[in-house]
Amino acid sequence: QQQVKQSPQSLIVQKGGISIINCAYENTAFDYFPWYQQFPGKGPALLIAIRPDVSEKKEGRFTISFNKSAKQFSLHIMDSQPGDSATYFCAASYAGGTSYGKLTFGQGTILTVHP
Amino acid sequence: KAGVTQTPRYLIKTRGQQVTLSCSPISGHRSVSWYQQTPGQGLQFLFEYFSETQRNKGNFPGRFSGRQFSNSRSEMNVSTLELGDSALYLCASELLGRGATGGEQFFGPGTRLTVL
Repeated sequence: QQQVKQSPQSLIVQKGGISIINCAYENTAFDYFPWYQQFPGKGPALLIAIRPDVSEKKEGRFTISFNKSAKQFSLHIMDSQPGDSATYFCAASYAGGTSYGKLTFGQGTILTVHP
Repeated sequence: KAGVTQTPRYLIKTRGQQVTLSCSPISGHRSVSWYQQTPGQGLQFLFEYFSETQRNKGNFPGRFSGRQFSNSRSEMNVSTLELGDSALYLCASELLGRGATGGEQFFGPGTRLTVL
């Protein structure tokens, strides 16, 4: 019940296209859903995050869509650029109890944007 | 503001040895979490410390331990190293810890541990 399932494992997009990565979760106690971007040799960097009281959040070219009833959330990258080529991780967490400090991560999506 | 720093960046050890990794969180952050990242298992939570107390622990054997100091700096230790411990070890800092508001964890660059 603690799993977060992420798809696809890899994604190839042309420059200027839209990249879409999906995640599904089971634990309805999750109330914080961040996305991280990781470049080779670097730690994950927080990209954007959402809480379940909103269905969408946009920051620049990055948008999270959240569907509470379906227990799914997705990352959309508009006007994808070669510099966006990286591994993307979705994650989830909830406050309190034995959840302190614990992010549960999806398996990651390797995004390649061709020029 | 300086980010999360981890030392050393790279380590090579042999089976049976022990290792200590260090993490300095962002100034003012009081919660430090540790994660193990491998190609097969992905990012897995090890433990979290807040105000020098371990508040949460992941599903790892007792060979993995940690501590936090009064200045919020944290160390993790792995004893009796096994080949399977080869991984990128990441620490992340958070302002207050998830018990309050927040949830925003900021990661360091990691320590790449290779066990031969």
